Amino acid sequence: RKEVEQDPGPFNVPEGATVAFNCTYSNSASQSFFWYRQDCRKEPKLLMSVYSSGNEDGRFTAQLNRASQYISLLIRDSKLSDSATYLCVSYETGANNLFFGTGTRLTVIP
Amino acid sequence: EPEVTQTPSHQVTQMGQEVILRCVPISNHLYFYWYRQILGQKVEFLVSFYNNEISEKSEIFDDQFSVERPDGSNFTLKIRSTKLEDSAMYFCASSLDRGADTQYFGPGTRLTVL
Repeated sequence: RKEVEQDPGPFNVPEGATVAFNCTYSNSASQSFFWYRQDCRKEPKLLMSVYSSGNEDGRFTAQLNRASQYISLLIRDSKLSDSATYLCVSYETGANNLFFGTGTRLTVIP
Repeated sequence: EPEVTQTPSHQVTQMGQEVILRCVPISNHLYFYWYRQILGQKVEFLVSFYNNEISEKSEIFDDQFSVERPDGSNFTLKIRSTKLEDSAMYFCASSLDRGADTQYFGPGTRLTVL
């Protein structure tokens, strides 16, 4: 059972570009959603939480559509340092654990 | 900023051997977790621990695995008889509360089973 599905990419974009990642989840009981960032061979680090009302943090905007069970992440004005794998993550209260997608690999090119 | 720490960073072992992976969660956190990530695959939940007992575990967490909080600071994952397929990154995480509260991850232990 795939709780969370993402396009694995890779996405190769030039510096300054806008890039969008999408994610779908299968379990309607999922209550909370997050985007994590993972650099090569490092631990996942929380990038931002995702709310139905939308959530913006600088160049990053996350959106949740519960009706479509769809989550998005938009990165504006991409920087070289944004190169990483972006993990879509859901949380179920009953399970009390995080369900990770396989991640979308982003490479920002000079 | 407080952080989760893990030791060792890399563990190499022979198939059939026992390994213990160690974690020091953030000091005021109450919930502790182990996740694993096989190379090239997604991060997978293994087990959560609260109030000195397992609160949830996945189907991956079979009888070969056990967890323990032997003192007030350490949280350990033991694999009794390692298999080749246990080779992975093992991440410890902790959170202050149950629920959607942020789980903070440690840097991971890379386990290689030969």
